[in-house]
Amino acid sequence: SQTIHQWPATLVQPVGSPLSLECTVEGTSNPNLYWYRQAAGRGLQLLFYSVGIGQISSEVPQNLSASRPQDRQFILSSKKLLLSDSGFYLCAFRVGNSYEQYFGPGTRLTVT
Amino acid sequence: LAKTTQPISMDSYEGQEVNITCSHNNIATNDYITWYQQFPSQGPRFIIQGYKTKVTNEVASLFIPADRKSSTLSLPRVSLSDTAVYYCLVGYGGATNKLIFGTGTLLAVQP
Repeated sequence: SQTIHQWPATLVQPVGSPLSLECTVEGTSNPNLYWYRQAAGRGLQLLFYSVGIGQISSEVPQNLSASRPQDRQFILSSKKLLLSDSGFYLCAFRVGNSYEQYFGPGTRLTVT
Repeated sequence: LAKTTQPISMDSYEGQEVNITCSHNNIATNDYITWYQQFPSQGPRFIIQGYKTKVTNEVASLFIPADRKSSTLSLPRVSLSDTAVYYCLVGYGGATNKLIFGTGTLLAVQP
């Protein structure tokens, strides 16, 4: 069966520190991969999506970056975190032409 | 991508039928309409998807009029556990790979 994993589940980081969040998918190949961020009480903001290895599309200009070093691995990074980077980060995947996205459990990031 | 408009919040009572309407005036010919449900501290979960007329599954029904400029998600006999945010999305017409969520509708079910 298809599953998606994210880690860590929670993270508290000081302003200016680096960030690395990892997402992996199992049970499928060549998925479309997505990173979303959700601020407290707000909707989901699409940050990045990828249709293949090394192919990253950015939706919002900011101090975050994404990489896809392997087919089923998606990494969200930052060199220097800002207070505004706090939020709930969700990774998701979609397979083929399906209209259904599957979301991971999320990472709660607090920047202090 | 077509922009969607939904009510910010709705209230209901257990056992009632709830209808959440979404407006998408600029929907493209190839676009599908998809609804997701999100509980606090969880990722959204796919509920239902449709193109026109009516679609029904074990969880909900989706009504789409002929002009497709709006859609209505119908939840029969809601329970307290249906309290969540519901998102309407339009897209995936074959030419795009991204899914953009709006602000959603917070449904609060009272006992």
